[in-house]
Amino acid sequence: GESVGLHLPTLSVQEGDNSIINCAYSNSASDYFIWYKQESGKGPQFIIDIRSNMDKRQGQRVTVLLNKTVKHLSLQIAATQPGDSAVYFCAENPSSGAGSYQLTFGKGTKLSVIP
Amino acid sequence: DGGITQSPKYLFRKEGQNVTLSCEQNLNHDAMYWYRQDPGQGLRLIYYSQIVNDFQKGDIAEGYSVSREKKESFPLTVTSAQKNPTAFYLCASSIKGGTEAFFGQGTRLTVV
Repeated sequence: GESVGLHLPTLSVQEGDNSIINCAYSNSASDYFIWYKQESGKGPQFIIDIRSNMDKRQGQRVTVLLNKTVKHLSLQIAATQPGDSAVYFCAENPSSGAGSYQLTFGKGTKLSVIP
Repeated sequence: DGGITQSPKYLFRKEGQNVTLSCEQNLNHDAMYWYRQDPGQGLRLIYYSQIVNDFQKGDIAEGYSVSREKKESFPLTVTSAQKNPTAFYLCASSIKGGTEAFFGQGTRLTVV
């Protein structure tokens, strides 16, 4: 079946370095993608989203890249800080219209920042 | 402040008992959702509701029930039929037709 998954379950980076978290999706009909950050014991927090008519979107210290050809999504975090340590989930919605309210989540990547 | 509130944060239940988890939002969102999260896993959809007095089963609805009598509230009941209820439960909401879901802080249910 269709699924969203992540290449790396864990990622350790040095404070100040850039982090790249990857996500593969298999539903070619998906046209909306979201990255969430989840700290231990808390609910997921929205980071950034992107629609399929875009290849790149930037936020504050974060950039999401979408490669529809290979169905790949990545989250780049610049100058990683200890507060960035968390589990990061990508999520997709097969249709961003009124017909679909379901997000499909990947299993997440745990990012650990080394001081 | 607008947001989505889940209560309680921690909940203990004896095996064989039903328990209800609360979820309230003041974001004026039409859609609400319940997800289950197990350690080291992603989120799995239990139930969702697009409008008051209507809801649909998600991927793992067995052993759970919901109601949507008010726009602001979407309580989840974990029944004794749920064979493995110990988990972290997350409630979320989104605007009608939108897809960005806002999450509550979760309820950790432990069956003892």
